[in-house]
Amino acid sequence: NAGVTQTPKFQVLKTGQSMTLQCAQDMNHEYMSWYRQDPGMGLRLIHYSVGAGITDQGEVPNGYNVSRSTTEDFPLRLLSAAPSQTSVYFCASKRGSGNEQFFGPGTRLTVL
Amino acid sequence: AQSVSQHNHHVILSEAASLELGCNYSYGGTVNLFWYVQYPGQHLQLLLKYFSGDPLVKGIKGFEAEFIKSKFSFNLRKPSVQWSDTAEYFCAVKGTDSWGKLQFGAGTQVVVTP
Repeated sequence: NAGVTQTPKFQVLKTGQSMTLQCAQDMNHEYMSWYRQDPGMGLRLIHYSVGAGITDQGEVPNGYNVSRSTTEDFPLRLLSAAPSQTSVYFCASKRGSGNEQFFGPGTRLTVL
Repeated sequence: AQSVSQHNHHVILSEAASLELGCNYSYGGTVNLFWYVQYPGQHLQLLLKYFSGDPLVKGIKGFEAEFIKSKFSFNLRKPSVQWSDTAEYFCAVKGTDSWGKLQFGAGTQVVVTP
């Protein structure tokens, strides 16, 4: 199993550009989520999904969209990038309630 | 609202010293508790977790943590650190009524000097 994979690893955007961060898992996990990691703030939940076709907002959803058309994939879309979205983004997945979340390697995004 | 507080943002230790990182949480219900570690340039890995039962849990690489319900705490300990323990450590909490929404602390950067 590849686990949780994320692409790209690094990305630089200009303010106002849009892009999609990709996340995929091959463990047939129902639950997937996106976090952003900022210095001194830990990880904050952006959006999550409990299964294909079901998504919900986390703590910091503004400026981001998600969809979950398949169990495997959970892309995160930035509609109009802003410098405040400069961060490291982690995707995670897990099976069921109360189990360990597995994290991807992260995407480092810089918005100029 | 749920919150997690980690007492130290930066800790510097010498090899063989003992490590204790504090974590307190605020949540009005039953919780699952986690400690994650992030080594330089790597993604988060689970060190240990507490769901129920024995409040003293042992994890990988010689780490352990004690859940003290009355103090809403879940402190991480290691008796003797190594240089390879240099990393950032995150405490995280999930309500048992929540499917997966983890609340993370701000993290503690631990530097172990040779």
